[in-house]
Amino acid sequence: QKEVEQNSGPLSVPEGAIASLNCTYSDRGSQSFFWYRQYSGKSPELIMFIYSNGDKEDGRFTAQLNKASQYVSLLIRDSQPSDSATYLCAGYGGSQGNLIFGKGTKLSVKP
Amino acid sequence: SQTIHQWPATLVQPVGSPLSLECTVEGTSNPNLYWYRQAAGRGLQLLFYSVGIGQISSEVPQNLSASRPQDRQFILSSKKLLLSDSGFYLCAWRTGQGASYEQYFGPGTRLTVT
Repeated sequence: QKEVEQNSGPLSVPEGAIASLNCTYSDRGSQSFFWYRQYSGKSPELIMFIYSNGDKEDGRFTAQLNKASQYVSLLIRDSQPSDSATYLCAGYGGSQGNLIFGKGTKLSVKP
Repeated sequence: SQTIHQWPATLVQPVGSPLSLECTVEGTSNPNLYWYRQAAGRGLQLLFYSVGIGQISSEVPQNLSASRPQDRQFILSSKKLLLSDSGFYLCAWRTGQGASYEQYFGPGTRLTVT
């Protein structure tokens, strides 16, 4: 069964630090990966996607993909209290563009 | 730009009552549509997806059903709710064309079955 694994956390970092969120996946055929941010009581919001090996940067966010190691990460630089949320990792899992979601990592940024 | 709507935002229903949740998408044509459920403290569970009008695929056997009567409308229903149906119901869409797999979520419906 195709799976996406995340450490549930909580991950606590001080304001201004780099937060590192990690995700591993079991389906070696997965090509595309997505990071969603979900504030408490709200729906998930897409913040990054990455299709190729290497790094992809967007503002304070950097997504990293290592297909050989089946590993995806999200780095958040200069973390702010407003970044406190649950971060969901998802991989493209096959038919009809369905995504396989991890259970999420809860991030807490302390002022 | 594309917008996705869901209603109602919150719902409290007794066990055994029927359910109808609606999702509509604006600003795109022939999207793929998805229904997910997120139970308290748990991950996202894909319930149904649809690639076109009248085309529904079920991922998890249960007492829920889905319909797509129009291109940009997706409905989740139940004839008799169970306590275990409580959760946060999310509709999502993605483009039905090309190799873009990112999905975008609606605001969700929080359902409490009492």
